[in-house]
Amino acid sequence: SYELTQPPSMSVSPGQTARITCSGDALPKQYVYWYQQKSGQAPVLVIYKDSERPSWIPERFSGSSSGTTVTLTISGVRAEDEGDFYCQSTDSSGTWVFGGGTKLTVL
Amino acid sequence: EVHLVASGGGLVQPGGSPRLSCVTSGFTFRSFEMHWVRQAPGKGLEWVSQISISGSSINYADSVKGRFTISRDNAKNSLYLQMNSVRVEDTAVYYCAGSGHRGGFEYWGQGTLVTVSS
Repeated sequence: SYELTQPPSMSVSPGQTARITCSGDALPKQYVYWYQQKSGQAPVLVIYKDSERPSWIPERFSGSSSGTTVTLTISGVRAEDEGDFYCQSTDSSGTWVFGGGTKLTVL
Repeated sequence: EVHLVASGGGLVQPGGSPRLSCVTSGFTFRSFEMHWVRQAPGKGLEWVSQISISGSSINYADSVKGRFTISRDNAKNSLYLQMNSVRVEDTAVYYCAGSGHRGGFEYWGQGTLVTVSS
């Protein structure tokens, strides 16, 4: 089955830049979506179609793609950005898959 | 304001058949593809099932195929998940989510916890 691979965790200091990667063989052909989930809450869409940002998401969140890897970048990280981040994509059969998630800790 | 309220969770015995509901408001339900996503305690997100706007196209994750049935009632702005032959490994918070023109899951409910245990 189709898999998306993320680093399990990363930590950054406030004001630094966090880059969370997601790798998958089909990513050159399929869009990727990114979600942030804070403790005890439902996920929130932060990036859609690789690099588009919903109007309700701060400009410090951005997305990019290169080959089989996509990257969520958070510039000028704030304490409130802490949480779990998941990438998501679909395959040609119409099923969806999430990456394993990356726990972002703001030191 | 957008609301998705999931219900129907609780303690269920293995082999049981709970039915989850998700009542929505604040957006044009009939224009959104709808999904169920689950999250086992302390684990990541797992996509469960998807239903198209009209209900004519449905997909399931391999882990639930043949046991779960997704459906929707556009007149009632509601989404359902009939779960049959549940297993201990189906224990999770089940979220309903809506997907619109952005393609991603932009609307999420608060989730309902299903615990499968004897």
